[in-house]
Amino acid sequence: EAGVTQFPSHSVIEKGQTVTLRCDPISGHDNLYWYRRVMGKEIKFLLHFVKESKQDESGMPNNRFLAERTGGTYSTLKVQPAELEDSGVYFCASSPRYQGARELFFGEGSRLTVL
Amino acid sequence: AQKVTQAQTEISVVEKEDVTLDCVYETRDTTYYLFWYKQPPSGELVFLIRRNSFDEQNEISGRYSWNFQKSTSSFNFTITASQVVDSAVYFCALSEAGANTGGFKTIFGAGTRLFVKA
Repeated sequence: EAGVTQFPSHSVIEKGQTVTLRCDPISGHDNLYWYRRVMGKEIKFLLHFVKESKQDESGMPNNRFLAERTGGTYSTLKVQPAELEDSGVYFCASSPRYQGARELFFGEGSRLTVL
Repeated sequence: AQKVTQAQTEISVVEKEDVTLDCVYETRDTTYYLFWYKQPPSGELVFLIRRNSFDEQNEISGRYSWNFQKSTSSFNFTITASQVVDSAVYFCALSEAGANTGGFKTIFGAGTRLFVKA
């Protein structure tokens, strides 16, 4: 069974440009999460999808970030326009519907560098 | 508010030494879950253990052991006889119980980078 895959693995863009990150969760996982880690800091929650619906987007930093999960399968996270402070590693994770909190299955992350 | 603190930014040990990674958490929930994840050089976080707030029994899995103490809000992780392959970043995490969605929000600490030298 394929794990969570993320693309691209690394993106370098200039300030003001647009970047779209993609996440393919494990097949059948209703829950999909986006997290971000800025250098050396904690992994911060961005948002949570249940199928195609945004369940919790309280961690989205501002309206330059737009996440979608059309059809409840893969998800995209667009940053437009990118700023220097958006640099970091963006992780996607997925999980089935559980009773009680259980582990998340993570991708390898997409490293974003904004120059 | 929920918070996870991993005060140790980096730890360096020599192979075969024991090492303990500290984790302190804050939550107002009575039902919560604690996790440890390992992030090897490949980048993805790998699940190691999950503990719920009603189970304070310590757990041992091979060279790994976990000490959960509600009285001090700590969930420490010990690696016995460390090996070079244990070198990674380790994250402690806290989760509240999900609502009706079967999903939940997980809060992570800043991670502890462990170097194990041969």
